[in-house]
Amino acid sequence: QKEVEQNSGPLSVPEGAIASLNCTYSDRGSQSFFWYRQYSGKSPELIMFIYSNGDKEDGRFTAQLNKASQYVSLLIRDSQPSDSATYLCAVNWYGNKLVFGAGTILRVKS
Amino acid sequence: GEEVAQTPKHLVRGEGQKAKLYCAPIKGHSYVFWYQQVLKNEFKFLISFQNENVFDETGMPKERFSAKCLPNSPCSLEIQATKLEDSAVYFCASSPGQGGTEAFFGQGTRLTVV
Repeated sequence: QKEVEQNSGPLSVPEGAIASLNCTYSDRGSQSFFWYRQYSGKSPELIMFIYSNGDKEDGRFTAQLNKASQYVSLLIRDSQPSDSATYLCAVNWYGNKLVFGAGTILRVKS
Repeated sequence: GEEVAQTPKHLVRGEGQKAKLYCAPIKGHSYVFWYQQVLKNEFKFLISFQNENVFDETGMPKERFSAKCLPNSPCSLEIQATKLEDSAVYFCASSPGQGGTEAFFGQGTRLTVV
């Protein structure tokens, strides 16, 4: 079992729709959870981080964390073509080591 | 600086040659991480530093890879006797503290071994 799992996609949504990206992790000792966006040929860009159970909203983005289910998700409202990218879920445990999932490719069609 | 600076952007080495990559973390950040991304696939953790001390090196292929973070110098990642499978983008990231604080990435160095 991989430590951090994501559906590789691609996930296709129409412009203006809600995109829902999901991630599960294996270690119950995980402390912090991050969503990065990576455009092709570019470096990962931090979008959201969440530490506590529940929802955290920032603009069009909402991160959701359920530690009991070992599940973290990212919702993107009013999706735009510019949101088309690979979304990486990253989980922190054992101090400061970030472990990444393989990423989900999101395609927003205009 | 306000961003993680990696040099060079591109590096081409013949098989068996040495490659050295550099990373200047964001000013004030205590932690530096190196990751390897092969062909847009998963990020493989290599090593992390707390200031100049190795924090976690569980991902390093120690026989050919080495890394340092010395005071007042950019951090470095060195690959001795490169192999074709070392071709990848090497990302450096820094974060201000321990315990899950967010990490910010540099633009990466694309290493091509021919």
